[in-house]
Amino acid sequence: SAVISQKPSRDICQRGTSLTIQCQVDSQVTMMFWYRQQPGQSLTLIATANQGSEATYESGFVIDKFPISRPNLTFSTLTVSNMSPEDSSIYLCSVETSGLYEQYFGPGTRLTVT
Amino acid sequence: RKEVEQDPGPFNVPEGATVAFNCTYSNSASQSFFWYRQDCRKEPKLLMSVYSSGNEDGRFTAQLNRASQYISLLIRDSKLSDSATYLCVVNRNNFNKFYFGSGTKLNVKP
Repeated sequence: SAVISQKPSRDICQRGTSLTIQCQVDSQVTMMFWYRQQPGQSLTLIATANQGSEATYESGFVIDKFPISRPNLTFSTLTVSNMSPEDSSIYLCSVETSGLYEQYFGPGTRLTVT
Repeated sequence: RKEVEQDPGPFNVPEGATVAFNCTYSNSASQSFFWYRQDCRKEPKLLMSVYSSGNEDGRFTAQLNRASQYISLLIRDSKLSDSATYLCVVNRNNFNKFYFGSGTKLNVKP
């Protein structure tokens, strides 16, 4: 497994602004992912953060809205841009370390947009 | 049809009871299967991978039925600390093809 931290743990933001969420892992990992979990719902994959290249986005998510950086094998950021109340959610990063498709999640960032 | 379906529950059981959850998946190309546990306002944590032959970890047993396309989780001798939401996850052995169920809520009562 891996130890994963996220910053901030929570934030309240005004609509139209942007928030950057950081994800730090205590070891080098190849696969990092960003998920969203809306209240009372399950997890939805936003994108796979690729080191050294552009992130791979899932259907319904675009780079302009959710730009992602992955400068090295231990760190990634997700920006939620031009926020609206519909972006209020928990954002989680995860890593896969074993090659067995087992994921380990960060503690999440609880975002509220007013 | 959803990729992964779970009974949302809640399952309310007394301490010491045995409880079982099922999860069905729609795509026969699914290759890897997992149970995660999510406590309220916390991140999901890997509980068990589910192997074709079934596997057991203490009080927890997971089974896979490929013919009927479902996986199950059995919890024996339930503890109060087992109260959580249990998420079923399937994957097609492709890193951008993880599908999460909506979770089954378990309440273990004294």
